[in-house]
Parts: sequence; C-alpha cells; structure tokens
Amino acid sequence: EAQVTQNPRYLITVTGKKLTVTCSQNMNHEYMSWYRQDPGLGLRQIYYSMNVEVTDKGDVPEGYKVSRKEKRNFPLILESPSPNQTSLYFCASSVNRGLGYGYTFGSGTRLTVV
Amino acid sequence: GQQLNQSPQSMFIQEGEDVSMNCTSSSIFNTWLWYKQDPGEGPVLLIALYKAGELTSNGRLTAQFGITRKDSFLNISASIPSDVGIYFCAGQRGGGGNKLTFGTGTQLKVEL
Repeated sequence: EAQVTQNPRYLITVTGKKLTVTCSQNMNHEYMSWYRQDPGLGLRQIYYSMNVEVTDKGDVPEGYKVSRKEKRNFPLILESPSPNQTSLYFCASSVNRGLGYGYTFGSGTRLTVV
Repeated sequence: GQQLNQSPQSMFIQEGEDVSMNCTSSSIFNTWLWYKQDPGEGPVLLIALYKAGELTSNGRLTAQFGITRKDSFLNISASIPSDVGIYFCAGQRGGGGNKLTFGTGTQLKVEL
C-alpha cells in the first residue's frame, strides 16, 4: 500500500530534550515536506526537500532541522524543543513534476512540549 | 509566509443540506486543491483545479477555480454524517518545488 509513515503518533517531552520524528514513504517520491498544524492557522510548511541532499526552509523553520540522506526518509529534528513547538506535525510526499500533483500525507505526530 | 483565508471557520449543518465554503488569497495561484482531514488523520486530496474558471466535480463535491485566480469554492451537496471533518484549500504556484500554501480550514459538523 502506498503510504507515508510517521513515528511516533504521540509524543510528550520536556523542554530542551532533543527529539526526532521519523518519516518514510514507499512511493519513490522526490519531494517531501513537513508541516505543522495549529488551530486557526491551518497547515504551515516547516521544511521541504526536492530530492536527496536537497533541503530548504519553508515558512516556519525556526527551531527545526531536517535531513534527506535517502530518498524514502525525511526526519524532522528538534534540537532543543520549546513549548511553542507543541503542535500536530505532518509529513507529506509528492512527485516533483510540476503543478497539480497533490501531496500524500502521513497520519500525523501530536507533540507536546512541557 | 502567506496563508489563505477560508470561510466559514466552522459550520454546523443538518444532514441532507448543501454546504458552501470558500478560500481567498491576496495573490495568484496556478493550481487550487481541496483536501479533507478526518479526525486523527492526515489530509486527503479531494479535488484539483488547473485553470481559471474551471468547475470540477467528484461525487457530491463540486469545486471551482476563481476567474481572478485568487479564490476557489467548494460545494458539498446533500451532506451526510461522514462529511464531518476539516476542509482545507491549498494553492500552488509552481517553481521552487511543489509547495502548497494551505488555508486556515473549515470545520464541518453534521447534525443527524
């Protein structure tokens, strides 16, 4: 089954403790992206990657890092999480052939930073 | 970064009613897409629109790409309980990757 898999689904952590949220896709998609979802703000892009070793900032990149060492994986790293990073996070992937190709989303990771 | 404004923010309707929601932007997009998010899941693509004025249907859903390319509309006819969820519009310009700029969402609740 074609899918984007995120882990974990739920995570509670303390301020300053480094964490990684994993994302993997099995569709051989070139494009991958991370979004955060907050009430009243919709989904905002954190980082994206157009292919292996090619990453770039989205609209809200502060406090996050990513890497793309393999085509299928795109982990999101919070080096020193803070409470304002409490949110619902989604990983998504797509072919990279231009307009109109919608994203396939993972099921989300709900992160709470206390 | 830019966000798209969706209205209404939420709506509570009776089963069987028709639903309309819209999405507006201060700048032009070349593609408009509509997604639905079920509780506890990621958004799923419903409809994609590729040119100004286009009207596209998917079952009980109909979406339109506004003539100005700065807005889009989604209609759901004869709503049913499984229509419950959050509906997001998204715009895409092309260039610089496949970035989708999402709207703020419309939460739909259906009363039996």
